[in-house]
Amino acid sequence: EAGVTQFPSHSVIEKGQTVTLRCDPISGHDNLYWYRRVMGKEIKFLLHFVKESKQDESGMPNNRFLAERTGGTYSTLKVQPAELEDSGVYFCASSPGARTQYFGPGTRLLVL
Amino acid sequence: AQSVTQLGSHVSVSEGALVLLRCNYSSSVPPYLFWYVQYPNQGLQLLLKYTSAATLVKGINGFEAEFKKSETSFHLTKPSAHMSDAAEYFCAVSEGGYQKVTFGIGTKLQVIP
Repeated sequence: EAGVTQFPSHSVIEKGQTVTLRCDPISGHDNLYWYRRVMGKEIKFLLHFVKESKQDESGMPNNRFLAERTGGTYSTLKVQPAELEDSGVYFCASSPGARTQYFGPGTRLLVL
Repeated sequence: AQSVTQLGSHVSVSEGALVLLRCNYSSSVPPYLFWYVQYPNQGLQLLLKYTSAATLVKGINGFEAEFKKSETSFHLTKPSAHMSDAAEYFCAVSEGGYQKVTFGIGTKLQVIP
């Protein structure tokens, strides 16, 4: 069974540009989560999808971040326009229900 | 609100020595507790989890953790460290299976030959 996959693995962009991160959850997992780790800080929750619906987006930092999960399969997280403080590792996780969240390898974003 | 405190952002042990990584939590409801590990250049991997069953939880690679409600602790241990255990370890808490996970800051484990 394939695990959670994320694309790209690394992204380097300039301040003001747009970046879109993608997450493919484990097949059949209705729950999809986004987290972020800024260097030297904790991994922090961003939002939670159940199928295509946003269940909890309390961790989204501001309106420059837009997450979608059309069709309830893969999800994208767009940052527009990117700022320096958006640099970090973005993790995606999925779970089949009230169980363990399985994490992807993360996308390392560097905003210059 | 839930929170996690990991004592020691860096821990060094000798190969073959006991590994003890400390974690204290705060939760308003009976918690789910986790330890995740991140090896260099890899994603987060679940080591073990506590979900209100046995208080001593055994995980992969010889690790175990004990849930102590009176101390609000969930320390991770391994009797004998291997070089391959060098990684960053994260303690985490959740207030239910569907709920967001709150992580500690992480502890980097160094194993000295």
